[in-house]
Amino acid sequence: GQSLEQPSEVTAVEGAIVQINCTYQTSGFYGLSWYQQHDGGAPTFLSYNALDGLEETGRFSSFLSRSDSYGYLLLQELQMKDSASYFCAVRTGFQKLVFGTGTRLLVSP
Amino acid sequence: EPEVTQTPSHQVTQMGQEVILRCVPISNHLYFYWYRQILGQKVEFLVSFYNNEISEKSEIFDDQFSVERPDGSNFTLKIRSTKLEDSAMYFCASSEALRTGKNIQYFGAGTRLSVL
Repeated sequence: GQSLEQPSEVTAVEGAIVQINCTYQTSGFYGLSWYQQHDGGAPTFLSYNALDGLEETGRFSSFLSRSDSYGYLLLQELQMKDSASYFCAVRTGFQKLVFGTGTRLLVSP
Repeated sequence: EPEVTQTPSHQVTQMGQEVILRCVPISNHLYFYWYRQILGQKVEFLVSFYNNEISEKSEIFDDQFSVERPDGSNFTLKIRSTKLEDSAMYFCASSEALRTGKNIQYFGAGTRLSVL
């Protein structure tokens, strides 16, 4: 089967740094993506890793270790608007994305 | 900025009825997808579509479901004989031609389907 595990909830304060982990076990692997979803909204693409290492995009960075089947999303200088759910997603085939269980991030003042 | 648009935003139907969910993908994108998200749960892949045919589908996408690209802009998901458990948010997504292995999928705002 396919499984992507994430912590269910993470809390942090404005200005802090938070890391959201994702461990996966899938039948295929082409890359790991991260999506943000605000309540009632659409998933929005944040970041993608196909190879081991760190990818940085502004305040957000994503890391992948293929040998450990593990990745994380790092959010720096947290803002209130970052309160949302964050999903890791593995591209298991040519196009198919398998999403993780999601992590709800709560940012407080 | 180009976006994926979905209509309607909310669809209410009676169990056993047929519904059609509509999507307009981003204009230069070639790959189209449907996903669903039951309230409070993760996003689940249903089907991908390329070159006017299904390229991949999940075990959820059974004979009750069908997809179609009736013209150059629309992409539809038809659910025949809806069941209570079909109640969910349905997301359409699209992506451009695959390059360098990336497959950035852009999602629409979704259609909330409520089956009564």
